[in-house]
Order: sequence, then C-alpha cells, then structure tokens
Amino acid sequence: DVKVTQSSRYLVKRTGEKVFLECVQDMDHENMFWYRQDPGLGLRLIYFSYDVKMKEKGDIPEGYSVSREKKERFSLILESASTNQTSMYLCASSFGQEFSYEQYFGPGTRLTVT
Amino acid sequence: RKEVEQDPGPFNVPEGATVAFNCTYSNSASQSFFWYRQDCRKEPKLLMSVYSSGNEDGRFTAQLNRASQYISLLIRDSKLSDSATYLCVLGGYNKLIFGAGTRLAVHP
Repeated sequence: DVKVTQSSRYLVKRTGEKVFLECVQDMDHENMFWYRQDPGLGLRLIYFSYDVKMKEKGDIPEGYSVSREKKERFSLILESASTNQTSMYLCASSFGQEFSYEQYFGPGTRLTVT
Repeated sequence: RKEVEQDPGPFNVPEGATVAFNCTYSNSASQSFFWYRQDCRKEPKLLMSVYSSGNEDGRFTAQLNRASQYISLLIRDSKLSDSATYLCVLGGYNKLIFGAGTRLAVHP
C-alpha cells in the first residue's frame, strides 16, 4: 500500500524560529513535492525534487528551502518562521519522468506561527 | 486570472441527486487533466483522470472541452459519502496545477 508520512500533524512555532518539516515515502518514487494549502487559494507548489540532491523552485519558494539527501526523504525548512507561513503543508510523491503522473499525498502538517 | 478556476460552492444536494461541477483553465497548452477528491481534514486523492473523449467510472463522469477550456465532473445518484471537496487539476510542464476546489455536501 502506498504511503507518504509527515513528521507532525500539528505544529506551533514562534516567529523567527527555524522549522523543519519531514516527509518520507516508501514507494521508491523519483519525484517529491511540497505544497501549502490555504482557504480559497488551493494547493500552491513551494518546491519539488526529481532526484536525490536535486531541487526546483515552485510557485512560492520565498522563505523556504528544501533538502533531499535520500530518495525517500524530502524536508522543508522555514529558515525564520513568520506568521504568514501559518498554513497546511502537504508533501506528495509521484513516479516516473512525467510530473503529471498521479501524486500521492501525506496527511499534512498544520503549522501555526505565533 | 487564476490558471484554474472553480466555483467554491458549497453545493448542497439531497441523496440521489445528480450534481455537476465545472472548471475552467487558462493555459491552452495543458496536456493532462484530473479530478482529485479531498475529504475534510484529509489529504487529496486522485478520483479520476479526464480524457479528451470523456470517461466514466461508475457514478462519475468526466468531460473535457479543449475548445472552451473547461472540464466537468458529473456525479449521479449522490451518496452521503460523496461529501467532500473536488479539486480540478491540470498537468502542466513538470508539475500539477490545482484549483481551489468545489465543496459538495450531500444530505439525507
């Protein structure tokens, strides 16, 4: 059974803190993605990766960075959390060379920055 | 203009009703199209792909109109378990583009 896990379901951090969100997939997928989801805006792509140590900016990369040291793990880093980064963060993975293949999502991390 | 636009709803329908959602997109070069379903406080999951010729999966029918740049999803004989948000999704170059979703609430 396909599985994408995220390190936390809920997280509360203070402004200025460094935040790490971890994502692990067990499907040997090449591609991994980080999105944030906000009411009325849908899912917006932050960063994605198509191979170990490779990363590409999505639509809203500002204030975020990522790390992919192993194929199964993709980390999202908020260098200095701000209140406008309060959101639901979703990790996803997909197979193959075509990024438009089905994406499998993790359960999400609801981050609140106070 | 958003790349993918959907009526946010909510659509409130009784069990057994037929309901249709439309989605319009702005990029005529889009190659692949999907409907994802997202239950409350859950992650999105693929419901069905949308093919040019239209396709059906049980009570669900998806249509694509490239000339008018819209996609539709028809749900027949609605069940309580169909209550969810339906996301229209485009396959762009190297990524998926998600609409904000249409919320469906099916009541007894």
